[in-house]
Amino acid sequence: ETGVTQSPTHLIKTRGQQVTLRCSSQSGHNTVSWYQQALGQGPQFIFQYYREEENGRGNFPPRFSGLQFPNYSSELNVNALELDDSALYLCASSPRDRPPYEQYFGPGTRLTVT
Amino acid sequence: DAKTTQPPSMDCAEGRAANLPCNHSTISGNEYVYWYRQIHSQGPQYIIHGLKNNETNEMASLIITEDRKSSTLILPHATLRDTAVYYCIARTGANNLFFGTGTRLTVIP
Repeated sequence: ETGVTQSPTHLIKTRGQQVTLRCSSQSGHNTVSWYQQALGQGPQFIFQYYREEENGRGNFPPRFSGLQFPNYSSELNVNALELDDSALYLCASSPRDRPPYEQYFGPGTRLTVT
Repeated sequence: DAKTTQPPSMDCAEGRAANLPCNHSTISGNEYVYWYRQIHSQGPQYIIHGLKNNETNEMASLIITEDRKSSTLILPHATLRDTAVYYCIARTGANNLFFGTGTRLTVIP
């Protein structure tokens, strides 16, 4: 069974640019959630995708957007990058159709905005 | 989802049991208690979850009090590789996980 994978591992962008991060969910999981983790803090929920639609969103501006594809993989897009967007971005997949809906995390993408 | 409270840090001697407490006094009847850990710069790792009964798996045991207002994660024989931040989360259904500040466990040789 393949776990959650994310790409790329590391990324350096300049303020104002746009970035796309990718996530492949674990086999059998149909829900993907994205989290942002700033240095020294716990992960913060960005949004969740289920059946290719956004299904819940945290306190993040609209320049954070996402997609989920029919194979349940997902993308996180961030426009107009700001220095504070520098963080570890985590993707988690879970089976939404059966409790207790435990989420399994990927290794993360480290984004640095300069 | 109920707020959880954990001590900011704990130490444990290698080979001894690590007991990590969590308070969730406002937990509702349908909220599960989940434990995750995060080793430096890696993604959080799912450890265990429970609703009412005590649970055990290959990684740890979870003891939930009868009134469900608190729980304890037990690592029976801590190793240096168990040094991590441990998060206790109370959650309903398939909602997002709310990570607080967690407990930083340091296993000492």
